Amino acid sequence: DTAVSQTPKYLVTQMGNDKSIKCEQNLGHDTMYWYKQDSKKFLKIMFSYNNKELIINETVPNRFSPKSPDKAHLNLHINSLELGDSAVYFCASSQDPTALVYGYTFGSGTRLTVV
Amino acid sequence: DQQVKQNSPSLSVQEGRISILNCDYTNSMFDYFLWYKKYPAEGPTFLISISSIKDKNEDGRFTVFLNKSAKHLSLHIVPSQPGDSAVYFCAASEGAGTALIFGKGTTLSVSS
Repeated sequence: DTAVSQTPKYLVTQMGNDKSIKCEQNLGHDTMYWYKQDSKKFLKIMFSYNNKELIINETVPNRFSPKSPDKAHLNLHINSLELGDSAVYFCASSQDPTALVYGYTFGSGTRLTVV
Repeated sequence: DQQVKQNSPSLSVQEGRISILNCDYTNSMFDYFLWYKKYPAEGPTFLISISSIKDKNEDGRFTVFLNKSAKHLSLHIVPSQPGDSAVYFCAASEGAGTALIFGKGTTLSVSS
């Protein structure tokens, strides 16, 4: 059973399009995250939701909008895609208060390529 | 502005020897430090963590050392195995409810 699953695994799309990436976790965790790994390999936090409530919103263009219909799902919608959005996007989940002791559980990533 | 730095992009070690991966940080408010391992085309996998009140934490072949005064931590893998070949990320957090900040990663290659 996959703990944190993301779909699609690969996404190739043209500039200007709108796309969504879905994430689901079956661990019963309260908190979910979106991270972006850019071409320089940095993993940067984008958003964090706790029980469907946004708790971390880093400096991310407002073309990116997370949506959490329930605590097991955190989707990422991206409007008007740009070349610079090409990256690998990772979803993760964690359970407080032990998140920093036992770590986050990451999905396998979605490689987004904008052409 | 990198708050978590892994200055060695790569490290090569022979099987059976010790691997030492280093990490430096600049934010004195960091309270928890974690190490993750990542294979190609997979997400990062949690390895081991340490809180700022400790200076050492051990889990099997993996030991993390924290030197708060130097703002430095290291991950020791003993003995190293070929299956340990992966990218290792150091990460830090100021505490619950704050973001986990990652370093750029170090690629470890263990040769048999």
